[in-house]
Amino acid sequence: LQLEEWGAALVEPSGTLSLTCAVSHMSLSGYHWSWLRQTPGQRLEWLGDVSSGGNTAYNPSLRSRLTISIDTSKSQFSLRLTSLTAADAAVYFCARAGYSGFFFDFWDKGTPLTVSS
Amino acid sequence: EIVLTQSPGTLSVSPGERVTLSCRASQNIRSNTLAWYQQKPGQAPRLVIFDGSTRATGIPDRFSGSGSGTEFTLTISSLEPEDCAIFYCQQYGASPRTFGPGTKVEIK
Repeated sequence: LQLEEWGAALVEPSGTLSLTCAVSHMSLSGYHWSWLRQTPGQRLEWLGDVSSGGNTAYNPSLRSRLTISIDTSKSQFSLRLTSLTAADAAVYFCARAGYSGFFFDFWDKGTPLTVSS
Repeated sequence: EIVLTQSPGTLSVSPGERVTLSCRASQNIRSNTLAWYQQKPGQAPRLVIFDGSTRATGIPDRFSGSGSGTEFTLTISSLEPEDCAIFYCQQYGASPRTFGPGTKVEIK
């Protein structure tokens, strides 16, 4: 399994972050696919999940600004986070949730985001 | 939201020593839905333990997890230098899934 993430590393305040994670060497079916972030203070935060069938779950703290989607034909899933502020600056990770529970057994290397004009 | 507290914040240990890390939850964690991760500088977290006590693939047997309810423990039976990292606990029995603030394990 390989996860590769791409997207903007610098976004202006009030802007929108778009990230995509490509999954290689396995099918998306049967798993949930997740986005997490790690703040400069090293705190880890779960953002949300999407199932292979497109069902989503979001952290309530971000629900109004966050959209996670999946494209099984391309083996990709994506994150869209709107109305960015400095508090959204973090390293963003995509990950696979485990088959038997919402722990995270595979992670990509992460993408740092700077929010600045 | 379930809040996780980890102690100690930092632990300085000599190689070969036994290490015990604590994770305490603000509410009961159902069915031991508690995981532990190891994170080294510049790397993503790596799953160590899930379901409270099950080692993830490739994790040495010197790592073990235990506990139930609101109190969980990660034990390293004999610390190796390569084990030095920040260890995080995470609960996934309730949404939102939440993480503890981490315990840094360093070599004395």
